[in-house]
Amino acid sequence: IAGITQAPTSQILAAGRRMTLRCTQDMRHNAMYWYRQDLGLGLRLIHYSNTAGTTGKGEVPDGYSVSRANTDDFPLTLASAVPSQTSVYFCASSAGTKLGQFFGPGTRLTVL
Amino acid sequence: GESVGLHLPTLSVQEGDNSIINCAYSNSASDYFIWYKQESGKGPQFIIDIRSNMDKRQGQRVTVLLNKTVKHLSLQIAATQPGDSAVYFCAETRNSGNTPLVFGKGTRLSVIA
Repeated sequence: IAGITQAPTSQILAAGRRMTLRCTQDMRHNAMYWYRQDLGLGLRLIHYSNTAGTTGKGEVPDGYSVSRANTDDFPLTLASAVPSQTSVYFCASSAGTKLGQFFGPGTRLTVL
Repeated sequence: GESVGLHLPTLSVQEGDNSIINCAYSNSASDYFIWYKQESGKGPQFIIDIRSNMDKRQGQRVTVLLNKTVKHLSLQIAATQPGDSAVYFCAETRNSGNTPLVFGKGTRLSVIA
C-alpha cells in the first residue's frame, strides 16, 4: 500500500441498508478525515480523528459514524442509508491538523 | 457568517498564459491555507500551502499570495498547460489548535489549447 486506499471504488445500495466505507493509510499520519463531495457544494467534512482513539464531528455528521481503533484505519459507517447520502466520499490523512491533507481516490456511493 | 469562498466559479485561460485563481476568507483568525487541485474522477491533490506569517510562497510554476489585510488568497500558475485543467480549491483553518480544514467550493480552470 502506498498512501491512502479506499474501498469499495463504487457501490449501489438500497435505502435502509447498512454500509461501511473503508479507508487505510500507510503513512503513519495521526489525523484522518472523511469528506463528501456533491456538485455545487464542494467538500464537506463529515467526521475527523486527530489521533487514534479520538474522533470529532465535522460539518455534516448526521447519519454517519466513525471509529479509529488504530492509526492506519478510519472506517465510515452509514447505519441506515438514505438517498440524500448519494455522493462521492473521500478519505484523507495528514501528519497533523496544521499540515496538508493527502486524499484517497474516493468512493462513489449511490443510494436508491 | 464565516465562509471560505471563491470569486469565480470558472476560469478559461489560453495555454501558455498565466492563471490567477482567487479565494476570500472572512475569519481573521485563520492562520493556515492550502490550495488543492482536483482532476476529474480523482481525489484532491495538495499543491501548496502558506501560513499567516508569510505573504508569498513559491513552488514549481505556482505561487500563493496571502493578503491578510483584505483576507484574500490567490494561486498563480505560470505558463498554464493543458494538464492544469482541473478544479482548484482553497482551504483554511479557522482557529488555532486542532480545528480541521474548511474547503471552499472550487474554481474550474479550463486551458484552451
